[in-house]
Amino acid sequence: QVQLVQSGAELRKPGASVKISCKASGYPFIDNYIHWIRQVSGQGLEWLGWVSPKRGDSFKPQKFRDRVSMTSDTSTSTVYMAFSSLQYDDAAVYYCARDLSSWDRGGFDAWGQGTLVAVSS
Amino acid sequence: QFVLTQPASVSGSPGQSVTISCSGSGRDIGGYDYVSWYQQYPGKAPQLLIYSVKRRPSGVSDRFSASKSGDEAFLTISGLQTEDESVFFCASYTPFSTWIFGGGTTLTVL
Repeated sequence: QVQLVQSGAELRKPGASVKISCKASGYPFIDNYIHWIRQVSGQGLEWLGWVSPKRGDSFKPQKFRDRVSMTSDTSTSTVYMAFSSLQYDDAAVYYCARDLSSWDRGGFDAWGQGTLVAVSS
Repeated sequence: QFVLTQPASVSGSPGQSVTISCSGSGRDIGGYDYVSWYQQYPGKAPQLLIYSVKRRPSGVSDRFSASKSGDEAFLTISGLQTEDESVFFCASYTPFSTWIFGGGTTLTVL
């Protein structure tokens, strides 16, 4: 079955960076975009962007373009999200999620278990 | 804070039906048929219930149905069960090639 397994919780100081991994299995890795979505303290969801494992490119909303990078490694079926210059309001659970279509607008049909990123001095 | 507007909470009795609304604009819900709905239990990742406005993935109960009218989307849960108590989120694609979410609706089964 389709499975996305994320790396473990992280604690960072303000201004630091974090890199989260998301390993996919159970389907042809390059066939589907992977999105990154975060959730602050059980509240709403915020979309951070996608990465295309087939093409190796990514897209993020303007708000995150300077601080977020998304990459993929087809040899290990893993995608990564790096977030720099962390601030207190970046503390959240970060999810990777697979797009059910072969592009970026199908919806998110499989989710990782989430990675808690805490920001504290 | 969230571009899509959902009621904070809804409630119903077992066996009844409830409908959750998700209000957007002509630039998101009104402009695309890429609207999806998610269910989230405490401490768990969201799960896809509906995609492309009204399509159900395999394995999702047919008690969940959805529709769209203009700039508003709707999720209906029929035959309410206690296990349906959770939070529901709507999401829409936008002309900026981004996704936006609603703030979430907590369903209470009385």
